[in-house]
Amino acid sequence: KQEVTQIPAALSVPEGENLVLNCSFTDSAIYNLQWFRQDPGKGLTSLLLIQSSQREQTSGRLNASLDKSSGRSTLYIAASQPGDSATYLCAVIDSWGKFQFGAGTQVVVTP
Amino acid sequence: ETGVTQTPRHLVMGMTNKKSLKCEQHLGHNAMYWYKQSAKKPLELMFVYNFKEQTENNSVPSRFSPECPNSSHLFLHLHTLQPEDSALYLCASRAGGVITDTQYFGPGTRLTVL
Repeated sequence: KQEVTQIPAALSVPEGENLVLNCSFTDSAIYNLQWFRQDPGKGLTSLLLIQSSQREQTSGRLNASLDKSSGRSTLYIAASQPGDSATYLCAVIDSWGKFQFGAGTQVVVTP
Repeated sequence: ETGVTQTPRHLVMGMTNKKSLKCEQHLGHNAMYWYKQSAKKPLELMFVYNFKEQTENNSVPSRFSPECPNSSHLFLHLHTLQPEDSALYLCASRAGGVITDTQYFGPGTRLTVL
């Protein structure tokens, strides 16, 4: 059974620092991996989707890497801003399109 | 705005009440999902509908009853809930045709069971 773990559960950094968020999964037979952002009391917003044949995806200050063989993905956020404060979730997607989520990392960026 | 709306946004109910959650998507998608999000836990998939047909029920207790009258609307009927059912209930939709299609999420309904 696939298990997705996100460490740390919470993270606080001063503005300007780079953020590194980790996601690990137990079954490497994934199809895609996706990172989402969730603001308090809100739904999820997609940030980046990495297909299993890719090793990374970039969008602006965000970069996500994927190492299927080791069961890990990392989300990097460069030059963090207070507006980056949110919970970040990763999800692995199997070949049936089913999503398995981690519990998330709660990020606080202090001015 | 993601194109997926949920009502109500907040709901407080007693254990003997009957209530319904509503989800509507304006994206022309064919698949719709209900998830439960409890504090500090991963999202739990509850139900999946494809083209109005239920294709997955993740061992959800019968006090939760889904209904999908058409591809745009999804309901979750609630009755005789327990306090541990208090959570954020999220609806999502997906185009469904291509494996790289993402899911689009609604804002959720915050449910409190007294």
